[in-house]
Amino acid sequence: QVQLVESGGGVVQPGRSLRLSCAASGFTFSSFGMHWVRQAPGKGLEWVAVISYDTNYKDYAASVKGRFTISRDNSRNMLFLQMNSLGTDDTAFYYCAKASAREFDYWGQGALVTVSS
Amino acid sequence: SYELTQPPSVSVSPGQTAFITCSGDQLGFRYASWYQQQPGQSPVLVIYQGNRRPSGIPERFSGSNSGNTATLTIRGTQAMDEADYYCQAWDGSTAYVFGPGTRVTVL
Repeated sequence: QVQLVESGGGVVQPGRSLRLSCAASGFTFSSFGMHWVRQAPGKGLEWVAVISYDTNYKDYAASVKGRFTISRDNSRNMLFLQMNSLGTDDTAFYYCAKASAREFDYWGQGALVTVSS
Repeated sequence: SYELTQPPSVSVSPGQTAFITCSGDQLGFRYASWYQQQPGQSPVLVIYQGNRRPSGIPERFSGSNSGNTATLTIRGTQAMDEADYYCQAWDGSTAYVFGPGTRVTVL
């Protein structure tokens, strides 16, 4: 069965960086696009970034463009999100999600990122 | 930017039918998807491409599209269906947009 397991969350000071990872299993990782979606505590869902199966296409939400970088390693079935210049508005649960056409068909359990001094 | 609107809350009695609406410009042409998120859990896809149900999702969940509105219908609502429900669509350009979510309460 499809499994997505995020790691790398934690508490970080404003202006610092953090890298999230997502380990994928149960499907042919190299054949599917992948997303990051976040959810501030008690709030709704916000799409963050997408990467195509072959890394040729990447796109970002306006709120993170220029600060966050999505990447993947198909040889290790891993998805990453490098987050720089973090602000308090970036505090959220970050989910990796498998792409299927225009929707997200499987989600990880989420990694909590808290930006606080 | 593209926006989706949902009612903040819907209440339904056990065994009755719940209707959750999602509105957006030409949403009927954008293949809305729906996600269920129970407290403390990750979202789960329950409807995609407007009216398709992933394997493992009960038949009581169905979706429909018309004009600017997509509707998630839960027939024979059960206590386990109490959750937040989010609609989602692609804006036709680059962004994936979520609605603000609807809290379904089974009274």
